[in-house]
Amino acid sequence: EAQVTQNPRYLITVTGKKLTVTCSQNMNHEYMSWYRQDPGLGLRQIYYSMNVEVTDKGDVPEGYKVSRKEKRNFPLILESPSPNQTSLYFCASSRQGAGMWSQPQHFGDGTRLSIL
Amino acid sequence: ELKVEQNPLFLSMQEGKNYTIYCNYSTTSDRLYWYRQDPGKSLESLFVLLSNGAVKQEGRLMASLDTKARLSTLHITAAVHDLSATYFCAVDVPSGGSNYKLTFGKGTLLTVNP
Repeated sequence: EAQVTQNPRYLITVTGKKLTVTCSQNMNHEYMSWYRQDPGLGLRQIYYSMNVEVTDKGDVPEGYKVSRKEKRNFPLILESPSPNQTSLYFCASSRQGAGMWSQPQHFGDGTRLSIL
Repeated sequence: ELKVEQNPLFLSMQEGKNYTIYCNYSTTSDRLYWYRQDPGKSLESLFVLLSNGAVKQEGRLMASLDTKARLSTLHITAAVHDLSATYFCAVDVPSGGSNYKLTFGKGTLLTVNP
């Protein structure tokens, strides 16, 4: 089954304690992305990756890191989490291409992070 | 900076009625997507619109794209309770080379009442 898998689904932690949210896709997609969803703000892109070893900042990258060492994995790292990073996070992937080959993004089930 | 605006943000409608959700965006693009999100769930792709004049229909939902007006619409026909969800439009714009960047609207929370 084609899917994007995020872990953990829920996490409550404390300020300053480093954490990693993993994301893995089994569709051989080139493009992967992280979003955060906050009430009244919709989805905002944190980072995205066009392919292995190619990453770029989205709209709200501060406080986050990513890496893309393998095509299937795109972990999101919070080196020193703060309460303003409490949010619902989604990982997504798609086959990236211009014009008629554009494909919608497939989303994971989400990770709800609470930073106390 | 690309802005994507949806109207309305909240929509309460009766079963059997028709309504339209609007998605305006501020820069040139011919790639627009509609997603649905049920409460507590992930996002599900509904439509992919890739050219001016594109129209896609699935059941009681129909989406269209006017790239000249920078406007997409999601029309709901004879609403039923199962359509209650949050609907997002998202616009893809070039961000250098062959890269594209997806920007979402804030979403429209649709509630269909019996």
